[in-house]
Amino acid sequence: QQQVKQSPQSLIVQKGGISIINCAYENTAFDYFPWYQQFPGKGPALLIAIRPDVSEKKEGRFTISFNKSAKQFSLHIMDSQPGDSATYFCAASWKAAGNKLTFGGGTRVLVKP
Amino acid sequence: GAGVSQSPSNKVTEKGKDVELRCDPISGHTALYWYRQRLGQGLEFLIYFQGNSAPDKSGLPSDRFSAERTGESVSTLTIQRTQQEDSAVYLCASSLVGGVTGELFFGEGSRLTVL
Repeated sequence: QQQVKQSPQSLIVQKGGISIINCAYENTAFDYFPWYQQFPGKGPALLIAIRPDVSEKKEGRFTISFNKSAKQFSLHIMDSQPGDSATYFCAASWKAAGNKLTFGGGTRVLVKP
Repeated sequence: GAGVSQSPSNKVTEKGKDVELRCDPISGHTALYWYRQRLGQGLEFLIYFQGNSAPDKSGLPSDRFSAERTGESVSTLTIQRTQQEDSAVYLCASSLVGGVTGELFFGEGSRLTVL
């Protein structure tokens, strides 16, 4: 019930291409779905987040798509840049649990120039 | 500083020794979380503190692990009788529970190596 499954584990994309990362969850109590970006040697930092009352959220080149019935959500990185090379984690939480995040396993993205 | 501060940034210890890791959360953040990140893996929840409530210890992997928090400030994660499988980066985060976004702010972590 607590798992968040993330795929793929790694991804190589050419500069200007689209990176797509997928996550699936089991616990229907989750009400907050963030994506975190982590650079080597740094802590994760919030990139973008969505709540289940909307199906899509866009911030710049980053878009979350959310499918409540399928219990899936995805991150799209448009026009990928070498500076986007990082590890991306999806996560989920619900307020009653104090916003404690359950993380996916991570996707290492490499954007080739 | 304005962010979450963790110390030490690196710790090398021998198997069987005890270690203490420290976290200074963002001022005013009522919630504090500890996570463990093994090499190349995701973040595993360890423990969560919220104000004066009893901590959520559901993620602690064994009784060798414990954590304390003084009010709404500093927290210390203690690992007793360290084992090689404890080698990981230990990340601390803080947040404003009840805030609109639910965002967790992470420190840069304490990298623990058990020889």
